[in-house]
Amino acid sequence: KNQVEQSPQSLIILEGKNCTLQCNYTVSPFSNLRWYKQDTGRGPVSLTIMTFSENTKSNGRYTATLDADTKQSSLHITASQLSDSASYICVVSAWTGGYNKLIFGAGTRLAVHP
Amino acid sequence: EAGVVQSPRYKIIEKKQPVAFWCNPISGHNTLYWYLQNLGQGPELLIRYENEEAVDDSQLPKDRFSAERLKGVDSTLKIQPAELGDSAVYLCASSLGVAGGPDTGELFFGEGSRLTVL
Repeated sequence: KNQVEQSPQSLIILEGKNCTLQCNYTVSPFSNLRWYKQDTGRGPVSLTIMTFSENTKSNGRYTATLDADTKQSSLHITASQLSDSASYICVVSAWTGGYNKLIFGAGTRLAVHP
Repeated sequence: EAGVVQSPRYKIIEKKQPVAFWCNPISGHNTLYWYLQNLGQGPELLIRYENEEAVDDSQLPKDRFSAERLKGVDSTLKIQPAELGDSAVYLCASSLGVAGGPDTGELFFGEGSRLTVL
């Protein structure tokens, strides 16, 4: 069964600190993996996409990694800001039945405190 | 460029009443999705349209939910009658091509319609 598990479920950090969010998946056949940021009361917005051949990709203070062998991805946030407070959702794409099916994780809720 | 537009943003109804949500996707986006999101959970697909054709509605509770996408642009999602368990956020998203593809697979979400059933 295709599944995406995220940890931790929630996280509180102080402004300026770094943090790492985890995403483990059992999705086959793997197509790609995206991290989305969802602010409270808003729709998710894509941060980055990882394909099978990519190990690391950065988008400003966000750095995503992918280990296709262990089926793990991480999202590292550097020098956190109050505006980073949001839910971060890992979405894995599986090639199923002729199209890419998206499997969503439950998200990690991050709170950045001053 | 305008993003995905949804309305209403908030809706409060009593159980057994009908409710409808409207979505206008990004211009030129062929694929449209309706997702349901419960508090603290990731979005769950209800239905996916490619142009005006519903190509994946396996998770849509067809006894009370219906959707349409006339002319392959705007879409409506209807619930009749609503139940207490339908309280959630209903997200609409669109993509240029097939979801999850490396070139055009990014989903663009609307801000959602939050439904409260009393």
